[in-house]
This record gives sequence, structure tokens and C-alpha cells, in this order.
Amino acid sequence: AIQLTQSPPSLSASVGDRVTITCRASQGINSALAWYQQEPGKPPKLLIYDVSNLERGVPSRFSGSRSGTDFTLTISSLQPEDFATYYCQQHNSYPFTFGPGTRVDIK
Amino acid sequence: EVQLVESGGGLVHPGGSLRLSCAASGFTFSSYAMTWVRQAPGKGLEWVAAISNRGQSINYADAVKGRFTISRDNSQNTVYLQMNSLGAADSARYYCAKDRATGGYPTRQDSWGQGTLVIVSS
Repeated sequence: AIQLTQSPPSLSASVGDRVTITCRASQGINSALAWYQQEPGKPPKLLIYDVSNLERGVPSRFSGSRSGTDFTLTISSLQPEDFATYYCQQHNSYPFTFGPGTRVDIK
Repeated sequence: EVQLVESGGGLVHPGGSLRLSCAASGFTFSSYAMTWVRQAPGKGLEWVAAISNRGQSINYADAVKGRFTISRDNSQNTVYLQMNSLGAADSARYYCAKDRATGGYPTRQDSWGQGTLVIVSS
């Protein structure tokens, strides 16, 4: 199975900060990578699909990129509602897998 | 509006079985693949199983293969997860999720239910 590792596991940031989260795949997954946001007690929410495509209704401060098997989620200016846990997911080959998550806390 | 409502969770003894259901509405159910994802308390997301729009393609996580069965009834707009030989490691909230795109085969999920909680304990 393809393994996804995320870094950092957690981070503390302030409103207005630029935040970057990295997801590394253990092998090539083409562009089959999505990012989800999950707030406590809620189901996940799709933010970005196919590496860099913004889901409908998601603010433009969220963006995604790729360099080889490294994928990045960037929040350009952190807002209060962005404090949550973020997961990457690959759907290139079965079994599909999620990364372990990155928790973003208020500094 | 897309709605996904899971049911069937509860407390079950080790070795027992449960059948989860997910009732879908607000979209053409038979056009979309469906996926089950679980989350143990305080832990991350774990992909469990997925089924294509007409049930022609089914795949499982290694941790549940041979014990869990995903199925769907397009006439009832419902997807199921039959879970057998349950163990403590299966305790989690189980979410069903709809695929983002038509085309039939599972990819990424754009709509999620609130989940149903499964607790395996003696």
C-alpha cells in the first residue's frame, strides 16, 4: 500500500500567518491527491482535489502544489475558522490511503 | 442538497457483526461511487472500502479484507457495510462519503455523512 507521511504533525500559528503542510507519498501517485479539512466533531471537508484544484466554495487562500512525490497545502493568510486538522489522501491505487494528519492550533 | 445519513452503529461484542447503512438523497445515486471511511476516537482517518456506481468494482483496506463487505442498492439509494468478526481495533466512527465526480469509479469524496459510531467491547 502507498504510504503518505505528513509534516509537521502539528503546528501553532497566528491569524494572518502563512501556513504550509507537506504530504509525501511512498511512491508515485500521479495527480491523484486530495486535501481535506476536519474540525473537531465534524466530518471531513474536501478542500483541494487533483493536487491543486480548489473545491467549490473553498476560499482562495487555500492552494495546493506538487513536486515529484511531495505535495503541499498552503494557507496564505490563516483565518480563525482554519484551525483544524488537515489530511491528504491518495486515490491513485488501492487501497486508497490518508496521511496521518496535521493539526493546526492557535498560537 | 446532498444528504448522507448513516445508521446501524452501536455496541457489539468482539467477534460479533453489524450492518451499517447509508441513505443518500439530493443527487443521482446510481451515478456516483461511494466510500466508507472510519475514524477511531482521537485518531486519523482510515479508508475502509469503496464501491463503483453500479457495484462492478469493489475494493477494501487490508485491515478489513475478508471480514467486511460493501454493497449498494441503487433502487433504494443506499450503500451498506456488512462487518463481521469485529475486534476492538474496529471501534470507530464510520462515515460514508460520495465521490466528487460521476464516471463511476472511486476517487475523492466531496460529501460526507455525520457518521455512525461502532464500539466493539465485551
